Amino acid sequence: EVQLVQSGAEVKKPGESLKISCKGSGYRFTTYWIGWVRQMPGKDLQWMGIIYPGDSDTRYSPSFQGQVTISADKSISTAYLQWSSLKASDTAIYYCARSAGVYYYMDVWGKGTTVTVSS
Amino acid sequence: QSVLTQPPSVSGAPGQRVTISCTGSSSNIGAGFDVHWYQHLPGTAPKLLIYGHSDRPSGVPDRFSGSKSGTSASLAITGLQAEDEADYYCQSYDSSLTGVVFGGGTKLTVL
Repeated sequence: EVQLVQSGAEVKKPGESLKISCKGSGYRFTTYWIGWVRQMPGKDLQWMGIIYPGDSDTRYSPSFQGQVTISADKSISTAYLQWSSLKASDTAIYYCARSAGVYYYMDVWGKGTTVTVSS
Repeated sequence: QSVLTQPPSVSGAPGQRVTISCTGSSSNIGAGFDVHWYQHLPGTAPKLLIYGHSDRPSGVPDRFSGSKSGTSASLAITGLQAEDEADYYCQSYDSSLTGVVFGGGTKLTVL
């Protein structure tokens, strides 16, 4: 079964760093892109960026460029989303999703990681 | 404000047909980029419903259909069921933003 398993919920303080993960299984991890999507409380879905684990080619939404870092470790079939200094406005659910390419649909989704940033 | 515009809400009675529109521009839908649709129930992962304007992944009932014309796309749901109550999002690619864009989402209420 193809699946993406995301790391658990996080509660952090403003200014702290964080790295959440998304582990793929049931398919060849290096031949599909992994995208990240944010959903702030009560809001719509926002595409953050995407990475190709095969060669770490990474694209960012202009809205998120410089705000987060997307990376991947193909040896353990895991993609990451990280922040160096969290803000309260980073409070959201973050989903990873598999895609055949930057222009394509996302056919398999993780269940989401809830990140709460509060002092 | 989302690049792709969807109505905030639609509603229909069980058994009825509803449509959800997704209006874009010449840099996304109008440029020929595919439109995809997702169903999202709060607290769960979004589910791919329609890809490439009108194709359904295996397991998605044929009550769901998609179409595209010009700079817009539509999702139609026939034979509405209570379990269809969810948020629906369209998605495409925008060449000006050089990235994936989502619609603002439409909440479907089954009366």
